[in-house]
Amino acid sequence: DIQMTQSPSFLSASVGERVTLSCKASQNINKYLDWYQQKLGEAPKLLIYNTNNLHTGIPSRFSGSGSGTDYTLTISSLQPEDVATYFCLQRNSWPWTFGGGTKLELK
Amino acid sequence: QVQLQQSGAELVKPGTSVKLSCKASGYTFTSNHMNWIKQTTGQGLEWIGIINPGSGGTSYNVKFKGKATLTVDKSSSTAFMQLSSLTPEDSAVYYCARAANSGPHDYWGQGVMVTVSS
Repeated sequence: DIQMTQSPSFLSASVGERVTLSCKASQNINKYLDWYQQKLGEAPKLLIYNTNNLHTGIPSRFSGSGSGTDYTLTISSLQPEDVATYFCLQRNSWPWTFGGGTKLELK
Repeated sequence: QVQLQQSGAELVKPGTSVKLSCKASGYTFTSNHMNWIKQTTGQGLEWIGIINPGSGGTSYNVKFKGKATLTVDKSSSTAFMQLSSLTPEDSAVYYCARAANSGPHDYWGQGVMVTVSS
């Protein structure tokens, strides 16, 4: 199975700050990488698919990049409603596997 | 609008089975595959498998083969997951999630908590 490692596990940032979350795969996943946001007590929500495609209705402050084994989710200007845990998911090969998550809080 | 409505929380005894449901609305049920995902505090998110509602074809994570069985009822636009021979390690929140045509899990059910306890 492809292992997905997210870093950091926990991040504290201020409103308006630029935030970068990382996801590293144990092998090349050919940009089949999605990002999900999960708020406390809710189901995950799709933010970005196939590395850099913004899902419908997602604010443009979210963006994704990467290739090969290294991928990044960027929030250009952190907002209070962005407090959540963020997960990456690889869909290059079965079984699809998730990263362990980055918990984002406000400083 | 696309909605996936999952059945309610379950408290079940070890060794028994449980069947979870996921009723889809707001789109053509047979046009999109349906995923099932397990979430625990310890193991995080785990992809269980996927079903093609049109054909009934399935693919499973090897880890869940023999544990989970995915089916659908096209007449009611409902996907099901049966979990068998339950142990406390099966206690988790289980989600159904639609697969967009481009692949990602674009809509999720609200999740159902399954607790396995004697």
